[in-house]
Amino acid sequence: ILNVEQSPQSLHVQEGDSTNFTCSFPSSNFYALHWYRWETAKSPEALFVMTLNGDEKKKGRISATLNTKEGYSYLYIKGSQPEDSATYLCAFRNNFNKFYFGSGTKLNVKP
Amino acid sequence: DADVTQTPRNRITKTGKRIMLECSQTKGHDRMYWYRQDPGLGLRLIYYSFDVKDINKGEISDGYSVSRQAQAKFSLSLESAIPNQTALYFCATSESSRNSYNEQFFGPGTRLTVL
Repeated sequence: ILNVEQSPQSLHVQEGDSTNFTCSFPSSNFYALHWYRWETAKSPEALFVMTLNGDEKKKGRISATLNTKEGYSYLYIKGSQPEDSATYLCAFRNNFNKFYFGSGTKLNVKP
Repeated sequence: DADVTQTPRNRITKTGKRIMLECSQTKGHDRMYWYRQDPGLGLRLIYYSFDVKDINKGEISDGYSVSRQAQAKFSLSLESAIPNQTALYFCATSESSRNSYNEQFFGPGTRLTVL
């Protein structure tokens, strides 16, 4: 069993604040790193798939970076909005087709 | 219509009962997965199937069994439910293409409570 850790566990910010959180994963046998956005009472939805060291992905106000050598990825949200409130999950996929999920960072954006 | 559906969405049962959770998908994906989610923990893999004839145990398969009845259907059974199997259960699917990074598509979840 591999450890995929996300920090912080929860985050409360004001509308307009920018925020970031971290996913740490094993640096060996890396294949891909996935970020998912999970709103309460809904299914997790894919945000990004990242595969190469140094990858940067962006979707609107949300972006992510990847460092496979040191085993971490950052997710950034610029100018948070109440609709960004959700749990953000990362998942590490290794070369053996196994996925390991972190416990998520729960973001609450107050208007 | 949802691409990945799960039934039931909520279920309350008693210790010792047999329960089946069903998952269907219209995405045409070969790979299907069952996860459980507990408060404070990430999604943990119970079983996965890369095609109809391929079933594999995940991290926490004890107390569970699965059946891949067709490419589109993957069922999870609890033969004799116990209270610590109370959790939110997710089904997911992904492609098997070499060009795919196997992004997973999740169902809406089944909330199971075992009394």
